[in-house]
Amino acid sequence: AQKVTQAQTEISVVEKEDVTLDCVYETRDTTYYLFWYKQPPSGELVFLIRRNSFDEQNEISGRYSWNFQKSTSSFNFTITASQVVDSAVYFCALSEKTYTGGFKTIFGAGTRLFVKA
Amino acid sequence: NAGVTQTPKFQVLKTGQSMTLQCAQDMNHEYMSWYRQDPGMGLRLIHYSVGAGITDQGEVPNGYNVSRSTTEDFPLRLLSAAPSQTSVYFCASRPTGFTNQPQHFGDGTRLSIL
Repeated sequence: AQKVTQAQTEISVVEKEDVTLDCVYETRDTTYYLFWYKQPPSGELVFLIRRNSFDEQNEISGRYSWNFQKSTSSFNFTITASQVVDSAVYFCALSEKTYTGGFKTIFGAGTRLFVKA
Repeated sequence: NAGVTQTPKFQVLKTGQSMTLQCAQDMNHEYMSWYRQDPGMGLRLIHYSVGAGITDQGEVPNGYNVSRSTTEDFPLRLLSAAPSQTSVYFCASRPTGFTNQPQHFGDGTRLSIL
């Protein structure tokens, strides 16, 4: 069965600090996908990144970077030089195949990030 | 583009009442899903559908029914509402269930069961 664990319930940092959000997943599949979504205080869910199980390259997008390590089943997300606008709940998600051949996606419990000015 | 539209945005029910949460998308997406979001629990998958006529259970299906008679619509039915079903419900869609493009989410329905 698939499972996503985000052990950090809440993190509080001061603006300009770097912060890493942890994500550990469990799956029996060799083909799967990992995602990060952001939910700002306004409530909508915003897609940030997708990574497939065959691509372990790290990715950087501006102040955001992601570290995918299959050996530890982790897909961690780092925000460099955090800003107040980064305050949100961040969700890690895992998609794996179902018996119908399609993929279903489950989410972790989320990490609430507070960035103080 | 409307994207994923959920109605109503807010609803208060009494225990035992039935209710259908509506979800419609105008992007011709094959895959649709329903999640509930509770504090400290993240988003939990209730039901999903990889195409018209095909539905399957997610992590927390009990107390909910779905059907998918058209590509556009994926209603979620509460047959006999319980206070434990008080939550924010999100509907999502993506082009197909057989690849893994990111999902598009609706704005959510905030449901309170008294």
